[in-house]
Amino acid sequence: DGGITQSPKYLFRKEGQNVTLSCEQNLNHDAMYWYRQDPGQGLRLIYYSQIVNDFQKGDIAEGYSVSREKKESFPLTVTSAQKNPTAFYLCASSISLGLATNTGELFFGEGSRLTVL
Amino acid sequence: GENVEQHPSTLSVQEGDSAVIKCTYSDSASNYFPWYKQELGKGPQLIIDIRSNVGEKKDQRIAVTLNKTAKHFSLHITETQPEDSAVYFCAAGYYGNNRLAFGKGNQVVVIP
Repeated sequence: DGGITQSPKYLFRKEGQNVTLSCEQNLNHDAMYWYRQDPGQGLRLIYYSQIVNDFQKGDIAEGYSVSREKKESFPLTVTSAQKNPTAFYLCASSISLGLATNTGELFFGEGSRLTVL
Repeated sequence: GENVEQHPSTLSVQEGDSAVIKCTYSDSASNYFPWYKQELGKGPQLIIDIRSNVGEKKDQRIAVTLNKTAKHFSLHITETQPEDSAVYFCAAGYYGNNRLAFGKGNQVVVIP
């Protein structure tokens, strides 16, 4: 089935450790995104990538890093510099921006819940 | 940047009744307003969207209305069913840009 796969679903980390969340898509989408979701909060954009080997900071990029070496993959690293890393992280993808066929729809994975102990 | 406010934060309705969620936005240039539904433990999924060149759009039991003058848009769910229980997010942005500003979400509980 086509879709977005995030792993792991649950992750525990000690303070001071970096952790990497995986996001893989087989939808052949050019654009990929990482959002953070906190209880009672909306979705806040961390990073996004419109094409391989290129990415831009979103609204809350501090303490996070990403890479986009392959079209299918957009891993997110939560570094020790992130002051409040405990959250639910959502990865999404969409058709390439600017294409006439782009309806604007974001396709989300099922999320990864990170807890810092 | 765009700021989206969503009210109420929680809504309980009896099965079969209607539910309405309202969102306001700040950027008058925004022209795309999607609604996403998030079921427990899942990622959000687009359920309906509207562009600024229309005032209303329907899809079976759900509809979205847009008032550009007042800068607000609403989600209407009729004949609610238990499977409608979820968190609903509104968003605003520019069509084709895909960089959306999301509201904080609304927990809808349908009571059987």
